[in-house]
Amino acid sequence: GAVVSQHPSWVICKSGTSVKIECRSLDFQATTMFWYRQFPKQSLMLMATSNEGSKATYEQGVEKDKFLINHASLTLSTLTVTSAHPEDSSFYICSAEPPGQGNQPQHFGDGTRLSIL
Amino acid sequence: GQNIDQPTEMTATEGAIVQINCTYQTSGFNGLFWYQQHAGEAPTFLSYNVLDGLEEKGRFSSFLSRSKGYSYLLLKELQMKDSASYLCAVKDSNYQLIWGAGTKLIIKP
Repeated sequence: GAVVSQHPSWVICKSGTSVKIECRSLDFQATTMFWYRQFPKQSLMLMATSNEGSKATYEQGVEKDKFLINHASLTLSTLTVTSAHPEDSSFYICSAEPPGQGNQPQHFGDGTRLSIL
Repeated sequence: GQNIDQPTEMTATEGAIVQINCTYQTSGFNGLFWYQQHAGEAPTFLSYNVLDGLEEKGRFSSFLSRSKGYSYLLLKELQMKDSASYLCAVKDSNYQLIWGAGTKLIIKP
């Protein structure tokens, strides 16, 4: 159980393009999902917490107008990187936490490797 | 501030045992998690501790001492496939997950 699906796995596109990444919880409902970014050989960095039916909560230093998050249903959150530039190239990973007493682990999607040319 | 410390890198031999330590200072505590992350892949959940003591799952065990703000992940009978980064994470009083930087474990034949 607790499967999270992320799509696409790889994206290569030109500078200035907007890219949408989808994150789905397949066998549970997730009121909260999380978006992370990880540069090569660096730590996992939380970008934002996605809340179903309300605005996302962004971490300090993350531009909310550049990284648009939509959590329209209990099983789907999307991250759109708007007008992507080469410095946005990174590994983007989503996670979701099954409902419970707060003792549930976050389960991760397989990640999206984004390369901006 | 909130802080989680774990060694940056460790090396061990195939078939041996290795212990990866994690110390934390957080505002409140609602559980500690260990994750494994292979290079180029997303993290996968390994273990959860909320009470003091040892939790065993096959070759992997995780220990917690809340009074010391300390945990370790013990890996036995090491295999080459265990080469990965191991991430320690703690839920604080707001149930926010605070991540350590990870320990890169290198297994040598």
